[in-house]
Amino acid sequence: DAGVTQSPTHLIKTRGQHVTLRCSPISGHKSVSWYQQVLGQGPQFIFQYYEKEERGRGNFPDRFSARQFPNYSSELNVNALLLGDSALYLCASSSFGGNQETQYFGPGTRLLVL
Amino acid sequence: AQTVTQSQPEMSVQEAETVTLSCTYDTSESDYYLFWYKQPPSRQMILVIRQEAYKQQNATENRFSVNFQKAAKSFSLKISDSQLGDAAMYFCAYITSGTYKYIFGTGTRLKVLA
Repeated sequence: DAGVTQSPTHLIKTRGQHVTLRCSPISGHKSVSWYQQVLGQGPQFIFQYYEKEERGRGNFPDRFSARQFPNYSSELNVNALLLGDSALYLCASSSFGGNQETQYFGPGTRLLVL
Repeated sequence: AQTVTQSQPEMSVQEAETVTLSCTYDTSESDYYLFWYKQPPSRQMILVIRQEAYKQQNATENRFSVNFQKAAKSFSLKISDSQLGDAAMYFCAYITSGTYKYIFGTGTRLKVLA
């Protein structure tokens, strides 16, 4: 079975622009979480979605938004990009998003903001 | 605040030797789950091992085992018979009951010397 997939793998944007990152969960998984991993740091939680509803949100500004589609894939949108948004963005999926479940991570999208 | 501390930014081990990576965490919850994830240079995070806080028995997965000390809030990872393929960033993380986000440490870079 295919794992979690993310696109694109790399992205270069300039300050003030908007970006959309995409994630497809493992087949059968209904929950998707997004994390931001700044170089040299551990991942920081951004959002979790389950059955198209936002379940949780981390300490990120309103410039960050996400949605989940009926096929359980997800998009992460970031508006008005700042230099500090440069990071690896990780998507993780699980069956129901419960805390007892293991989350399976995708390879990430590397975003560079110039 | 919920935190995970990995006090060893970098560790080295000779091939076939044993190494222990340290992790301490801080939570007031009694119900939570602990994880060690491996992130090789290709970036995809892979689950190494998980531990349920309510279980006293330490988890083991082949060459990987943990030393879980709940009272001390310590969760170390022991890698036996280290292999070149074990070289990676290792992240300790936990998730508490009623939340949907992993809290990650800053990681330990493990180098395996031939």
